[in-house]
This record gives sequence, C-alpha cells and structure tokens, in this order.
Amino acid sequence: QKEVEQNSGPLSVPEGAIASLNCTYSDRGSQSFFWYRQYSGKSPELIMSIYSNGDKEDGRFTAQLNKASQYVSLLIRDSQPSDSATYLCAVKKSGGSYIPTFGRGTSLIVHP
Amino acid sequence: GAVVSQHPSRVICKSGTSVKIECRSLDFQATTMFWYRQFPKQSLMLMATSNEGSKATYEQGVEKDKFLINHASLTLSTLTVTSAHPEDSSFYICSAVGPAGNQETQYFGPGTRLLVL
Repeated sequence: QKEVEQNSGPLSVPEGAIASLNCTYSDRGSQSFFWYRQYSGKSPELIMSIYSNGDKEDGRFTAQLNKASQYVSLLIRDSQPSDSATYLCAVKKSGGSYIPTFGRGTSLIVHP
Repeated sequence: GAVVSQHPSRVICKSGTSVKIECRSLDFQATTMFWYRQFPKQSLMLMATSNEGSKATYEQGVEKDKFLINHASLTLSTLTVTSAHPEDSSFYICSAVGPAGNQETQYFGPGTRLLVL
C-alpha cells in the first residue's frame, strides 16, 4: 500500500460545479496535511494546510480531514477553467525531522 | 512572505558538463531544504534533504557523487549536477521549510528545467 494515495484522474467537471479531490494515507502518526496545486510546467504552490479533524475553508477551497478514516479531501466550489491543474496531497508527521510524503497527484480538468 | 527562488530557471548544457542550480529563501531562514526531480507527466521525486551546516541526506537510488548538494547558509542551498547526461534532463525543484514559527509547510521554488544535449 502506498503511503499517500490519490486517484490520478483526470477528474473532469463542468465550470461552476464542485470538484472533490480525495487523498488517503497509511501512517496513523501523520499530523500535518497539505494540498498543493501544480500547473503544467510549473512548480507546486501551496493551497491549504490542515491539522485538525473537520473542515477548513479558504475562499472557494475547503479541506476536510478525517484522521480516524485516514483521509483528507479538497473541495473546490464554483470550479473555474483556471483551476485545471494537478492537485498534490502531502502528508507529514509532526516534528521538523520528518519528511513529507507526496501523493502522485490528481489531474483536474474544468471544462467551460 | 515565504518566497523561494531558483536560478537559473532554464539551462541547456552539453553532455559531460556540470550544472549548478541555486535555491534561495528570500524572506525567511530555512534550516531544511528539499530537492526534487520531476520527469514529464510524473510525480515529484524527492532526491535529497539538505540541512544547513551538515551533509545532505540522499534518497535511495540517488547518487550523491553525481548530485552534489551544499547548504552553506540559512538562505541558500545549491545542487550541482556533475557530468550531466541526457537522462539527467528533467525539471528540478527545490523547496524550503519555514519560516520560523511555521516549520510544517514547504514552499517551493519555481523550478529549473535542465536539458542536456
């Protein structure tokens, strides 16, 4: 079992819809969770971080964390074509010496 | 805040030459930086962890004598690809952990695209 799993997609949604991206992880000691967006040919950029169970909202983005079920998700409301990118989930144990583990990413396509 | 730069953004070199890539944290001190490599349509592959003032920790399968990493200050890490070959052509991305008070988040540089002819 991979440490951090994401469906590679592509996930295709119409403009204005809600895009739901999911990520599961295997290490129960994980404490910090991140979502990055990577446009084609560019480096990843941080969208959100979440540390506690529940929802965290930032604009059109909502991260959801369920440590008991070991999954973290990202919802994008009112999806726009400019949201089309690969979304990377990263999981990290607490403490500076632990290296974050990245999933392979989910490709999102928002079509007009 | 939390800006990471890389230089150069793009480099083309002949096979057998060495290429140095710089990664700088512009507005914070980064005790730890990471170097990644990404081939087209592939996921990020961690190459090494660079800690200021100490030797880098390389991931399995990454040749430390070929990919030299120096983290001489809290704001600069360098990756040197020695005796580059066409198979080293890739997108090299660094990231830095920080700033102080937020050691949980990685901030990525814009990446360096290397093409070895």
